[in-house]
Order: sequence, then C-alpha cells, then structure tokens
Amino acid sequence: AQSVTQLDSHVSVSEGTPVLLRCNYSSSYSPSLFWYVQHPNKGLQLLLKYTSAATLVKGINGFEAEFKKSETSFHLTKPSAHMSDAAEYFCVVRVNAGGTSYGKLTFGQGTILTVHP
Amino acid sequence: GAVVSQHPSWVICKSGTSVKIECRSLDFQATTMFWYRQFPKQSLMLMATSNEGSKATYEQGVEKDKFLINHASLTLSTLTVTSAHPEDSSFYICSARDTGAGFAYGYTFGSGTRLTVV
Repeated sequence: AQSVTQLDSHVSVSEGTPVLLRCNYSSSYSPSLFWYVQHPNKGLQLLLKYTSAATLVKGINGFEAEFKKSETSFHLTKPSAHMSDAAEYFCVVRVNAGGTSYGKLTFGQGTILTVHP
Repeated sequence: GAVVSQHPSWVICKSGTSVKIECRSLDFQATTMFWYRQFPKQSLMLMATSNEGSKATYEQGVEKDKFLINHASLTLSTLTVTSAHPEDSSFYICSARDTGAGFAYGYTFGSGTRLTVV
C-alpha cells in the first residue's frame, strides 16, 4: 500500500519570502509523485511531477521539488512567494507496479498556503 | 494541453432526487476516468474508476447503486447520484489520463461540481 503525509496543514509566508511545503511518502513499489494546486471551488492543476528521471523537478510558476529516496520525501519549494500562490496544495503518489493499486492516485491531506502582503 | 470539462460546476437539488454530473475529455481519449469526492477542508478520496465500455470499479465503502457511473465513450464519463440526501453534499471531481500519452504523464482534473442537497 502507499500513503502520503503532508506535514503541515497550514503554511503562512510573506510575499517575496521562500515557500516550503513538506511531503513524505511510503510506497511498496517505485512511485511517481506529483504536486497539484487547488484554488477555492476549482479543480486541480498539476504543478510538477517526478517519474523516475531527474530527482530535482521544476514545475510551473517557479515551483520545484526534490525527490529524496533515502528520506522518502518530495518537498515543494519556491524561492519567492507571490500573492497568487495562495491556495491549497496536494502531494500525490501513484503506484507504478503491482496489484490492484496499480495506477491509482493517493492524495495527501493538503496544505493551505497563505501569503501575506 | 489536455483539458477535462466537468458540468455542472454547481447544482442544488432536493432530497430524494437524482443528479447527473458529466466529465468530458476535450482533446484526448480517455479509456479510464476517475471520480473523487472532497469534503470541506479534507483531501480528495477516490470513489471509483470508470472504464470505457465496462463496469466501473468502486472503492471500498462506496455504494455502487447510489453512485452510478457510465463511461459509454472514450471522451465521456457520467456520475449519477441517485436518491440524493444531504449527506451526499460534497465537491465531486473527475480526472482522466490521455490514453495515448504514456503512463509517465499526470492526470488532468475537471473543475469540479459542488453538489448541495436540501
């Protein structure tokens, strides 16, 4: 089975300061990992994905994430927060091999990012 | 890029009635689509996997007779909430993967449907 833990339910930063959203995962098989962003009452937009290529993944809007197998982490970062980054962020794991869970997405609990002027 | 259109974006219905939600892949074919449910301040929970031309696969605890899924074509899946009750009020989101794009690609999500049962 696989699981995702987002370590912070809320993160608050000032505009122009760095953003760090933490995510740890567990998976019995080689995982793919994603970060999605959701604005209120909207669907989910893919920010970036890790699929066993480069461990440092760059996404849209200046976000990036680093896959660290030894730490089972996939933290999301951005050097400088913008007001428009305020939203909820989900870390997601997908199982790539084996059993009835193949291909299914498992979502973390979400982290609400607040950006102050 | 891949786009998934979900309608309606919001719906209010009376208790005991049925509501149909549509999920369409606009510029790609999707053999498989997924239906999620999201309660306020909670994460997305997978309800079922919709397979074109065959029966949907429901997650444990999801009533298949209450949440009817039809995936009649490669671009359309529908979720019908039958005999809706206030506890069915939630945000429903569909997603799809471009069948021809390779497994390394992510899933595209619809914009969601806010269902309120009164």
